Amino acid sequence: AQSVTQLDSQVPVFEEAPVELRCNYSSSVSVYLFWYVQYPNQGLQLLLKYLSGSTLVESINGFEAEFNKSQTSFHLRKPSVHISDTAEYFCAVSAKTPPGTASKLTFGTGTRLQVTL
Amino acid sequence: GAVVSQHPSRVICKSGTSVKIECRSLDFQATTMFWYRQFPKKSLMLMATSNEGSKATYEQGVEKDKFLINHASLTLSTLTVTSAHPEDSSFYICSATILAGVSYEQYFGPGTRLTVT
Repeated sequence: AQSVTQLDSQVPVFEEAPVELRCNYSSSVSVYLFWYVQYPNQGLQLLLKYLSGSTLVESINGFEAEFNKSQTSFHLRKPSVHISDTAEYFCAVSAKTPPGTASKLTFGTGTRLQVTL
Repeated sequence: GAVVSQHPSRVICKSGTSVKIECRSLDFQATTMFWYRQFPKKSLMLMATSNEGSKATYEQGVEKDKFLINHASLTLSTLTVTSAHPEDSSFYICSATILAGVSYEQYFGPGTRLTVT
């Protein structure tokens, strides 16, 4: 089984400031890692994912996350946030499965990023 | 891109009635769909895994007779909340899986807000 911990329930930050949203996971097997963003009353949108290869992954809107196996972390960062980045961010993990098998996601409790002027 | 729709987006029903929520993959076929429930300011809780042509697999603590899942085709899964009660009020989100490289990726619907009065 897997578990995900997002220690920060809320992160207030000023516009154009950097931000880091923390995510730690626990698993007895190899995993894939994901960050999702949820805007009010909407479903989740995939922000970025780590499957294999380079431990640093980037999104098209300036976010990046780094997989750190020794620390079992997958923290999300952005060097300069915008008002429009205000949303709920969920870290998720799924077990690596054999080809042809879809694995369920285990989510963290989410971090509310609040960007203000 | 992969689009998942849910219908209805909002529904209000009286206690004791049943409500059906549809989840459709619009431009791809999904062998597996997942149903989640999200409480206010909380994470997503996986309810069940829905595989086309077979019975759904429910997570521990989820009543299969109360939350009926039917995955009749590769593009449609339905969740029926039977004999709904106020405590069933929640935000229900589905996801549909698609093979993306070496892993399955989940695409989420926009969610259905259920209010039971």
